[in-house]
Order: sequence, then C-alpha cells, then structure tokens
Amino acid sequence: GAVVSQHPSRVICKSGTSVKIECRSLDFQATTMFWYRQFPKKSLMLMATSNEGSKATYEQGVEKDKFLINHASLTLSTLTVTSAHPEDSSFYICSASPPGLPRNEQFFGPGTRLTVL
Amino acid sequence: EDKVVQSPLSLVVHEGDTVTLNCSYEVTNFRSLLWYKQEKKAPTFLFMLTSSGIEKKSGRLSSILDKKELFSILNITATQTGDSAVYLCAVNLLNNDMRFGAGTRLTVKP
Repeated sequence: GAVVSQHPSRVICKSGTSVKIECRSLDFQATTMFWYRQFPKKSLMLMATSNEGSKATYEQGVEKDKFLINHASLTLSTLTVTSAHPEDSSFYICSASPPGLPRNEQFFGPGTRLTVL
Repeated sequence: EDKVVQSPLSLVVHEGDTVTLNCSYEVTNFRSLLWYKQEKKAPTFLFMLTSSGIEKKSGRLSSILDKKELFSILNITATQTGDSAVYLCAVNLLNNDMRFGAGTRLTVKP
C-alpha cells in the first residue's frame, strides 16, 4: 500500500526559531499533499493543500508567511514553521493523494510532534 | 512496526443497507482508537474508543473496540447517499502520535 513518511517525528525548539517538517510519499508520486494540525479532542484542521510545482493553497485563517509550504518534487513537501511560538506547539500531520484518486482518498503520515519552549 | 489495517478498502451499497467497516491494529503503547469521516477537507471526527466492549453511538453510526483481539468496527445502519465518504481509522499512542489506516471508501447508491 501507499506509504507516507514524516521527518522528524518530534522536535523541540526555542521560541523564535524556525522548524522544517518533511513529508514524503515513499512508493508513489503525489502531485497533491495536505498539511493538517491536530487540536485537542482529536479534531484535525486542514492547514493547506500543497501542489507540486505551484503555490500552496492555504485555508482561511492560516498565515502563509508563518507556515511556509514547498512542494519541491512529486514525493516531497515541506512545512516550515517560521518564528515558532509556544502556541504553535501541536501535532502536524501530512497526507498525500496519489494521482487519479479522489481528493478525499489520502494516505496519512505518522505525524510530527512540535513543542516550542 | 505499528500497523493499522482497514477492510474492506472499498465498499458499494444501496441506500438503506447496513454496513460494517473493520479496523485492526498492531501497535505498541496503545492509548485509543479514533474513527474519522473524510469527505472534502479535513477528516471529521466521529468516535474515540478507549475501552473494550463499550459501544459508542451517534445517530445511525456506532462503533466498538476489542482490545483483546485488537480491532474495532464502525457500523452504519440505514445508509444514505450522504454517508458516501472515506472512513479513516487511526490509533492514538501513549506519546500522542497517531497511526492512520488506509481508509475504507464507502459509496452509497440511491
């Protein structure tokens, strides 16, 4: 089956620093990847849709200058949390959708736990 | 290696049918199991299960967990076309990491 990996699995950083999270599709090419943030009570918020070769589409209320997304290749998307603050501490999950499948058929990565001190 | 396996991968039924979706898991440090409905944007949270044998119910949807046999089922009765979606099972670990299954694509035909 399709496998999506994320790196790192957890990161601790100081307030004001930037953190990069990688999302890779290991055995398929993904023209579209999605970045989610998990909130308490387990709800997932879609932050942005990452499109290979073009700009990411951000959801309303998500600061594009704070959460930089780069879909550099058909197997890699990165999320950079710039000037991180403690309120950015969360669990960030990516997913990827193989070409030809409906948008809601996504394969999820294992997530990255970000803690900002 | 942690595994979450959903079955079937795809299911087509007619309105009014009852469906059962399966999720089995092999993980270390299990905390809870969650079900989501994925339609367009973010998956919608349905249930969180932490104890065996206690059915959770919401309208036509219900779910139960068996921690001995390491699986959960999601039942949908009297299905409607609006139930068409991908249903995701995810296991939450003690360190709060999550492991998702590949999903079951449910199509309900009129």
